Amino acid sequence: GQQLNQSPQSMFIQEGEDVSMNCTSSSIFNTWLWYKQDPGEGPVLLIALYKAGELTSNGRLTAQFGITRKDSFLNISASIPSDVGIYFCAGYPNTGNQFYFGTGTSLTVIP
Amino acid sequence: EPEVTQTPSHQVTQMGQEVILRCVPISNHLYFYWYRQILGQKVEFLVSFYNNEISEKSEIFDDQFSVERPDGSNFTLKIRSTKLEDSAMYFCASSAQVYNEQFFGPGTRLTVL
Repeated sequence: GQQLNQSPQSMFIQEGEDVSMNCTSSSIFNTWLWYKQDPGEGPVLLIALYKAGELTSNGRLTAQFGITRKDSFLNISASIPSDVGIYFCAGYPNTGNQFYFGTGTSLTVIP
Repeated sequence: EPEVTQTPSHQVTQMGQEVILRCVPISNHLYFYWYRQILGQKVEFLVSFYNNEISEKSEIFDDQFSVERPDGSNFTLKIRSTKLEDSAMYFCASSAQVYNEQFFGPGTRLTVL
């Protein structure tokens, strides 16, 4: 199946700092989704991207659909303690028929 | 706000037993999915369902698994004879279009003893 490489694997940051994470693949994708998952709960959709180059914001979160269609980026500005969790990317490949999930980025925010 | 619901939240079963996990997708969605997440790992696709039939399934979804939409609101995942390695969180999701945003339920934690 498709492999989505998500980096970094984990991040420890101070409250107020900005965060950047990305998801890359060797294949072309048609859709990118970004989710946040808290322990023991289901993934919560943050942002959906459908076009190459698209830049979409949701509050302090901004995500971009890479121009090559092989990657996507998520930025969180001015982090707060409730941003703690695991962030997953999910992509729907050009030649596929299912979403593939990345390995996740674990975010810890230090007050 | 519409949401996907799942029951039970936690299911404990003995190896070899059958389990049925239940989901109520968002009411106007047409595409339904089951995913699995082993503790500490990524979310893995199991199966997608549209128009009362399976549209795609992964290698994980072998003959021990089946899905059904028994009525207009429920979507179920059955594991016929559970194995220890079936222990995981199982998430149901639904979407309005096939490659649009998917909304996840809170999950069922399945523990096989």
